[in-house]
Amino acid sequence: QVQLVESGGGVVQPGRSLRLSCAASGFSFSSYAMQWVRQAPGKGLEWVAVISYDGGDGYADSVRGRFTISRDNSKNTLYLQMNSLRVEDTAVYFCARYEYGDNGRYFHHWGQGTLVTVSS
Amino acid sequence: IQLTQSPSSLSASVGDRVTITCRASQGISSYLAWYQQKPGNAPKLLIYAASTLQGGVPSRFSGSGSGTDFTLTISSLQPEDFAAYYCQQLNSYPITFGQGTRLEIK
Repeated sequence: QVQLVESGGGVVQPGRSLRLSCAASGFSFSSYAMQWVRQAPGKGLEWVAVISYDGGDGYADSVRGRFTISRDNSKNTLYLQMNSLRVEDTAVYFCARYEYGDNGRYFHHWGQGTLVTVSS
Repeated sequence: IQLTQSPSSLSASVGDRVTITCRASQGISSYLAWYQQKPGNAPKLLIYAASTLQGGVPSRFSGSGSGTDFTLTISSLQPEDFAAYYCQQLNSYPITFGQGTRLEIK
């Protein structure tokens, strides 16, 4: 079955960096675009970044220039490199598999999330 | 593209019929999905392509709409339905979510 497991969250000071990972299993990882979505404590969902199956990427304005999404298809792993972190980046970060086809577009499979806390 | 969900919160009783609306700031065809989220959990896909029920989701959930106006309807609320609900547009980047609707027990 499809499984997505995030890791790498923790407490970090403003201005520092952190790298999140999302280990995928149960499907052909290299064939799917992947996404990162975050949720600040008590708030709604915010889309963060996308990477296509062949490495094309896109970012929310709030993170562009600071965050980099990448993937290693040989390791079935998605990454989010977060630099110059701000207090407002504090959130649970979810990875999700992007379904894109004639039937529609949606995020069916999600990881359980990893908490990033940016605080001095 | 901004998505405006209403209401932002809703109190209802088991057995009630409830409707949540989602309005897009510009046309998004039918590239709209609905998710349910319970505290501490990842979102769960309920409906995609505005009206297609995801496999395994109870038939009391339904979606409709196209263009800019969409609705999620729960025909008869069950205890397990009390949660937060989000709409999401996938017509263009940046992908956006509605601000959410918190469905509470009356």
